[in-house]
Amino acid sequence: ETGVTQSPTHLIKTRGQQVTLRCSSQSGHNTVSWYQQALGQGPQFIFQYYREEENGRGNFPPRFSGLQFPNYSSELNVNALELDDSALYLCASSPSIQGGVNTGELFFGEGSRLTVL
Amino acid sequence: RKEVEQDPGPFNVPEGATVAFNCTYSNSASQSFFWYRQDCRKEPKLLMSVYSSGNEDGRFTAQLNRASQYISLLIRDSKLSDSATYLCVARKNSGYALNFGKGTSLLVTP
Repeated sequence: ETGVTQSPTHLIKTRGQQVTLRCSSQSGHNTVSWYQQALGQGPQFIFQYYREEENGRGNFPPRFSGLQFPNYSSELNVNALELDDSALYLCASSPSIQGGVNTGELFFGEGSRLTVL
Repeated sequence: RKEVEQDPGPFNVPEGATVAFNCTYSNSASQSFFWYRQDCRKEPKLLMSVYSSGNEDGRFTAQLNRASQYISLLIRDSKLSDSATYLCVARKNSGYALNFGKGTSLLVTP
């Protein structure tokens, strides 16, 4: 096990609702990133947090937002849910080399599977 | 166009076979490369990094061709436990994001 835990593991929402997903990073890791994995696709980078600041963002709209807390745990919030948001949301932690650049070895949690109806 | 392209397969091979997966990347600024493995309905896990000179880890060999922007993974003496999806990954040197391909599905049969 990687030591990265996510909750909830499964959830069902309806269009227009909001969702918050949570992640506890592996001990000693100060960088947390979030990925969206749609069925049959590879994970797509949403954003990364380092020292409680977002320091990298993928091609996702502003309704995807996040937080990192002093203990390095993190939340992903998605507002105004759309059907296409149905996916596995993966949190990954890693140590950073410098300035929040991760080593490339990400330790993923098992994910939160979101279904939007 | 996706930054990382892979043949999705599936590749069905018998135990003991040698199988090779290929991957191309479109962003010449990509500097770091990896292969991740993802078992069915599980999280991705790092299999190995890919170095310019090529590198080997047991039965697994990774190669990088920067001129052709091409990465490969060779698995020798396939085991049933190798059945999984193999994700090719590229990253820009100062970037934070890992760019994953769609993955190549491998099924090793008895």
